[in-house]
Amino acid sequence: DIQMTQSPSSLSASVGDRVTVTCQASQDITNYLNWYQQKPGKAPKLLIYDASKLETGVPSRFSGSGSGTDFTFTISSLQPEDIATYYCQQYDNLPLTFGGGTKVEIK
Amino acid sequence: QVQLVQSGAEVKKPGASVKVSCKASGYTFTRYAIHWVRQAPGQRLEWMGWINAGNGNTRYSQKFQDRVTITRDTSATIAYMELSSLRSEDTAVYYCARDSNWSLYWGQGTLVTVSS
Repeated sequence: DIQMTQSPSSLSASVGDRVTVTCQASQDITNYLNWYQQKPGKAPKLLIYDASKLETGVPSRFSGSGSGTDFTFTISSLQPEDIATYYCQQYDNLPLTFGGGTKVEIK
Repeated sequence: QVQLVQSGAEVKKPGASVKVSCKASGYTFTRYAIHWVRQAPGQRLEWMGWINAGNGNTRYSQKFQDRVTITRDTSATIAYMELSSLRSEDTAVYYCARDSNWSLYWGQGTLVTVSS
């Protein structure tokens, strides 16, 4: 199975700050990576697919980059409604596997 | 719009089975696969398996291979996930999710509690 290592596990930032989350795959997954947002008590929501493509309707302050084994998810200007846990997910191989999540809080 | 509506919360005893349903609407059911993913308290999301809603072919995670069965009813546009031989570690929220080029669009989740 492909292991996905996500960091940090949590972070605290101020409104307007730039926030960056990293995800490392245990082997080359090309660009077969998605990013999801999960708010408390809710299902995950797709934000980024194919490592860098923005899902329709998702604000442009969210972005993703990377290929191979190293990926980055960025919120360019943190907003109060972005409080959530963010997960990466690889789909290069079954089983689909997820990162451990990054909990984003407001300072 | 695309909707996946799951069945309600369940409480089961160790050793029992649970069957969770996932009613799909707003799209052609047989064109998209359905995945099942669970989230135990404080744990990462864990993929259990998927079903090709068109031909019924399934693939399961090795971890659950012996205990999980995923089926679908095309006339009712419902997918099902049955997990047997439940133990306390199976307490989790179980999600169905529609596949679109390996991106997942999720149901609301079903809490399954395993407790004696």
